[in-house]
Amino acid sequence: DIQVTQSPSTLSASVGDRVTITCRASQSIVTWLAWFQVKPGNAPKLLIYKASNLQSGVPSRFSGSGSGTEFTLTISSLQPDDFATYYCQHYHNYPWTFGQGTRVESK
Amino acid sequence: QITLKESGPALVKPTQTLTLTCTLSGFSISTSEVGVAWIRQPPGKTLEWLALIYWDDDKYYNPSLQSRLTVTKDTSKNQVVLTMTNMDPVDTATYYCVHRLMGRPLDSWGQGTLVTVSS
Repeated sequence: DIQVTQSPSTLSASVGDRVTITCRASQSIVTWLAWFQVKPGNAPKLLIYKASNLQSGVPSRFSGSGSGTEFTLTISSLQPDDFATYYCQHYHNYPWTFGQGTRVESK
Repeated sequence: QITLKESGPALVKPTQTLTLTCTLSGFSISTSEVGVAWIRQPPGKTLEWLALIYWDDDKYYNPSLQSRLTVTKDTSKNQVVLTMTNMDPVDTATYYCVHRLMGRPLDSWGQGTLVTVSS
């Protein structure tokens, strides 16, 4: 199985900060990676797919990059609505796996 | 607008079989390239992919749970059903059904249903 490892597990930031989250795959997944945002009591929301494609309706402050085994999710200017937990997920082959999550909290 | 809604028991006893139904709206499970996945999230833990069924009845399972899982579709009702046997307290989680198209990401999620396993 391909494992995906996220870092950091928790990130403290302020509104307006640039935030970067990293996801590493245990072997190449080309660009078959998605990023999700999860808030308590809500279903996960797709932000980025195929490593760098912005899902329709997602603010442009979110961006993704990377290929192979190293990927990043960047929030260019953190907004109050962005405090949440973020997960990466590979869909290169089965079984799909998710990272352990990165909780973005207010500093 | 694509929507999915999970339904099933909120509480099951250990060793029982869980049956969850996902009712689809805004799309048909019979349409080419359509798939519906099941994902769960135990409290305080990460997300875990369980199973996936496609419009052509092709099915995929997480190998770690494959012996306990069955996914089926009812095209007449436009529903997808997940059964999980021999439930254990570690299976306590919020269970989601999710839409995807072949080669595309998990793009539309149901609201989720919390299942607690306890005697």
